[in-house]
Amino acid sequence: QQQVKQSPQSLIVQKGGISIINCAYENTAFDYFPWYQQFPGKGPALLIAIRPDVSEKKEGRFTISFNKSAKQFSLHIMDSQPGDSATYFCAAHPTKTSYDKVIFGPGTSLSVIP
Amino acid sequence: DAGVTQSPTHLIKTRGQQVTLRCSPISGHKSVSWYQQVLGQGPQFIFQYYEKEERGRGNFPDRFSARQFPNYSSELNVNALLLGDSALYLCASSLRDSREKLFFGSGTQLSVL
Repeated sequence: QQQVKQSPQSLIVQKGGISIINCAYENTAFDYFPWYQQFPGKGPALLIAIRPDVSEKKEGRFTISFNKSAKQFSLHIMDSQPGDSATYFCAAHPTKTSYDKVIFGPGTSLSVIP
Repeated sequence: DAGVTQSPTHLIKTRGQQVTLRCSPISGHKSVSWYQQVLGQGPQFIFQYYEKEERGRGNFPDRFSARQFPNYSSELNVNALLLGDSALYLCASSLRDSREKLFFGSGTQLSVL
């Protein structure tokens, strides 16, 4: 069973702090790892993504760290802001498929308090 | 430009009924995918259609079916509704059929009573 695990389930961070969400995958090779942000009443929106041949990718305040040997990857949100309060999903695309079967983690609810 | 639009936004059905959900992709996008998101969980892949052909199917029963029209819009049909079908149904579109950035709609919230 293809699976992506995600932790923590919920996270509370002070404004200006660093939010860290961790994910791990197992059993199946994946070759594309996007992170999605979802606000209440909205669909997920792509935040940042990485391929396994890269160990780190940074876009603004958002950084993905990728450890291929450990099959783990994480999202770091620097200088967290109240507007970052949302649910974050890590996800993975399996290799050897010709279609967009994205496998999502269970999500992390982030609350950034002033 | 309009994003991915889904209709209706909310729907209440009773067990055993049938439901049709609709999705219009972003203009120029030829791929549409459907996902089911149960409260508190991540979205689960149901179908992908590209150029009106089914390209992939997730682990869902045959009660779930979909199609894509010549204008690339799509419908998801669910027959013989069960209580467990209550969820947010998300549609996502992309330019081509694989590895492209997915753009999600706001979803249809289906409640089965």
